[in-house]
Amino acid sequence: SQQGEEDPQALSIQEGENATMNCSYKTSINNLQWYRQNSGRGLVHLILIRSNEREKHSGRLRVTLDTSKKSSSLLITASRAADTASYFCATGPLGAGSYQLTFGKGTKLSVIP
Amino acid sequence: NAGVTQTPKFQVLKTGQSMTLQCAQDMNHNSMYWYRQDPGMGLRLIYYSASEGTTDKGEVPNGYNVSRLNKREFSLRLESAAPSQTSVYFCASSEEVGGDSNQPQHFGDGTRLSIL
Repeated sequence: SQQGEEDPQALSIQEGENATMNCSYKTSINNLQWYRQNSGRGLVHLILIRSNEREKHSGRLRVTLDTSKKSSSLLITASRAADTASYFCATGPLGAGSYQLTFGKGTKLSVIP
Repeated sequence: NAGVTQTPKFQVLKTGQSMTLQCAQDMNHNSMYWYRQDPGMGLRLIYYSASEGTTDKGEVPNGYNVSRLNKREFSLRLESAAPSQTSVYFCASSEEVGGDSNQPQHFGDGTRLSIL
């Protein structure tokens, strides 16, 4: 069953605007990861945030994590046409030796030039 | 540096046929995974191999078998293909760091499989 649920399902913005995607999950986690998938390609890892972290940055990406609300957000600033892709959150469960990430259904982002 | 390589990229099968999807990684990772991705769905884990010599079921293992041939290669076999197995299949690999197994995964570009 799906652990993470992204919101919105689809997002269309103009180039230069910021894009915010949200992810909610149900059970306690070890970490939460965000991935990007371009059309016809595999997923590419963007950023990992641990359960004891609240915010993380990587270039134009900003991820926040609120474990009390069981939610995370991904902000892409100054978006570019090349950011057009689907974005997935994935949760890593608590417990040693657990290798299973659980992926959400994704947010499809379209950046219009 | 190829990363994760999957073959074939496309395949069409008839119901009841069998085939093996191949996956190889050149990053010396211990852990490897097979997922399927269906329209409007996220990725669902079929099987994974935490290390060479071990395999475990994921969320949707029915109708599939896997073989961890060596550290580099992890294959997925459909013994008797069914239309419900029409999907895009992704292989991934990762490396445990400091005892933490939930590390970033590196994905291949997928095998698009249609079963008629």
